[in-house]
Amino acid sequence: DVKVTQSSRYLVKRTGEKVFLECVQDMDHENMFWYRQDPGLGLRLIYFSYDVKMKEKGDIPEGYSVSREKKERFSLILESASTNQTSMYLCASSLSRGSNQPQHFGDGTRLSIL
Amino acid sequence: GQNIDQPTEMTATEGAIVQINCTYQTSGFNGLFWYQQHAGEAPTFLSYNVLDGLEEKGRFSSFLSRSKGYSYLLLKELQMKDSASYLCAVRPYSSASKIIFGSGTRLSIRP
Repeated sequence: DVKVTQSSRYLVKRTGEKVFLECVQDMDHENMFWYRQDPGLGLRLIYFSYDVKMKEKGDIPEGYSVSREKKERFSLILESASTNQTSMYLCASSLSRGSNQPQHFGDGTRLSIL
Repeated sequence: GQNIDQPTEMTATEGAIVQINCTYQTSGFNGLFWYQQHAGEAPTFLSYNVLDGLEEKGRFSSFLSRSKGYSYLLLKELQMKDSASYLCAVRPYSSASKIIFGSGTRLSIRP
């Protein structure tokens, strides 16, 4: 089974802090994704990556950046956290670019910005 | 633009059948996914349709009509554990694995 692991289930940070959310997958998947999930808005794509050191903006990239230095790890960075970034963050991975294989999700990180 | 619509909430009775509809208008179409998400947990994959018709998988079936931009998820013999959100998602581009999610349908099962 595919295992996608996010470093924290719950995280509380302060406005203006730099925040790192880590995600690791163990199935040698090429694709990795970061979403945020808010009530009534569903899952919205922040950034994704098809390969090491490669990234593409999703639908709501503002205020975020990402890093993919190794194939198995995809990090989401909040450069200067703000209260409107309080949300559930979900990481996902899938097999390869252009493939119809489903995305597999981590358990999520519930981030609160005070 | 990209638009995926599904009802916000539904309620059904244990042992019954429920159908959750999804309509989509996207810039392209290369498949539709259904995911289940229990409260506080990660979404888990249920089904994938790329051709018209019905795909059956145990108590769950998924139907697709590409010409109508329409899909439904059919859950039979409902159990209390089926209480969850059901997410419809479309893969618009053949060259990419990016998918676009609807807002989800929260299904409550009553005894």
